[in-house]
Amino acid sequence: GAVVSQHPSWVICKSGTSVKIECRSLDFQATTMFWYRQFPKQSLMLMATSNEGSKATYEQGVEKDKFLINHASLTLSTLTVTSAHPEDSSFYICSATPRGGRALETQYFGPGTRLLVL
Amino acid sequence: RKEVEQDPGPFNVPEGATVAFNCTYSNSASQSFFWYRQDCRKEPKLLMSVYSSGNEDGRFTAQLNRASQYISLLIRDSKLSDSATYLCVVYSGNTGKLIFGQGTTLQVKP
Repeated sequence: GAVVSQHPSWVICKSGTSVKIECRSLDFQATTMFWYRQFPKQSLMLMATSNEGSKATYEQGVEKDKFLINHASLTLSTLTVTSAHPEDSSFYICSATPRGGRALETQYFGPGTRLLVL
Repeated sequence: RKEVEQDPGPFNVPEGATVAFNCTYSNSASQSFFWYRQDCRKEPKLLMSVYSSGNEDGRFTAQLNRASQYISLLIRDSKLSDSATYLCVVYSGNTGKLIFGQGTTLQVKP
């Protein structure tokens, strides 16, 4: 089956630092990758959609200068949380849609990255 | 109003019980429907797609009513391992996005 990895799986950082999260599709090429955020007892909320080689499309209310997304290859997308603050503490999950896949509804999810900002 | 609404629960049931979860969605243009399962501190995993004709996968039965914009999931003969949060998910081709409900938490007790 299609496998998506994320690294790191968890990170603790000080307020004001930047954190980079990697999302990789291990056994397929992904034309589109999605970044979600999930706060405790809440649903997954889409933050942005990224296509390889182009700028990410951010959802309303998500600051593009704070959450930098780079989708440099068909197997790697990165999310950088710049100048992280405690309110950015959350569970960040990426997903990927296979190249040539049926539709964007087919998304394979990474295991998530738990971020805690002190 | 949320695009996808679910009763958050929790539903506490004994082993062997039958339990049903409901979900409503607001976008009538939604095209595809799913139930995902999410274990604590894990990513969501696809449980099953939902079709208008209804579909079954072992102990799990999903139903879709497009007219009422309503989706359901029935779990028969609950197992301890069924304890998780069940997410109702809707896809719209217009937006190319999956929209997740808040999830319904199920606790199956011995």
